[in-house]
Amino acid sequence: QTVVTQEPSLTVSPGGTVTLTCASSTGAVTSGYYPNWFQQKPGQVARALIYSTSNKHSWTPARFSGSLLGGKAALTLSGVQPEDEAEYYCLLFFGDAQRWVFGGGTKLTVL
Amino acid sequence: QVQLQESGPGLVMPSQTLSLTCTVSGGSISSGSSYWSWIRQPAGKGLEWIGRIFITGSTNNYNPSLKSRVTISADTSKNQFSLKLSSVTAADTAVYYCARDHVWVGESLAAFDIWGQGRMVTVSS
Repeated sequence: QTVVTQEPSLTVSPGGTVTLTCASSTGAVTSGYYPNWFQQKPGQVARALIYSTSNKHSWTPARFSGSLLGGKAALTLSGVQPEDEAEYYCLLFFGDAQRWVFGGGTKLTVL
Repeated sequence: QVQLQESGPGLVMPSQTLSLTCTVSGGSISSGSSYWSWIRQPAGKGLEWIGRIFITGSTNNYNPSLKSRVTISADTSKNQFSLKLSSVTAADTAVYYCARDHVWVGESLAAFDIWGQGRMVTVSS
């Protein structure tokens, strides 16, 4: 069974920088997995932030960036704002099985 | 502007079949990549991809953990696609979302860029 792993929780101070990662049980994450990142606040629908590793949607704040880091997909928030407190999910595409797998989510606390 | 709306019963009896429909407005489900997905989220838990339908190719892909119980179909005349999940148990209680599976932006793939508001489905007698 394919598992996509994220840090369960992270804490960052306002104005700080934090990196969330996304690993695959099948091996290194590459651009071919089309890593996508989503933000979900309590009671809200998830919102797409980053697509295909590092591309931002028109609505994505500039402080969010995506990359590949040490065999994982990564989401970096620079200059964190209180409103960035949320759950963040990564998503990978496994082409051999033609299926999507979400990571378990990272609860980001801004404190 | 494409919008999605889920509809269907909010309460399903155990062992019965959960049925939801997603109505797409502002665009045709047969245009673009024409892939459409269902995702669910139990209360307090993470997102789980259920499966998708490729409208113009008439094919489906399903989460292996649900594959034996899931059917996703479409009615292009109504611009809708639907989810059926059979033999439900309390573990299937969740908010169910429909979403546009992906769009291509140049050579980049943007997944689940448009979501419905979600439909809470409770499995209980």
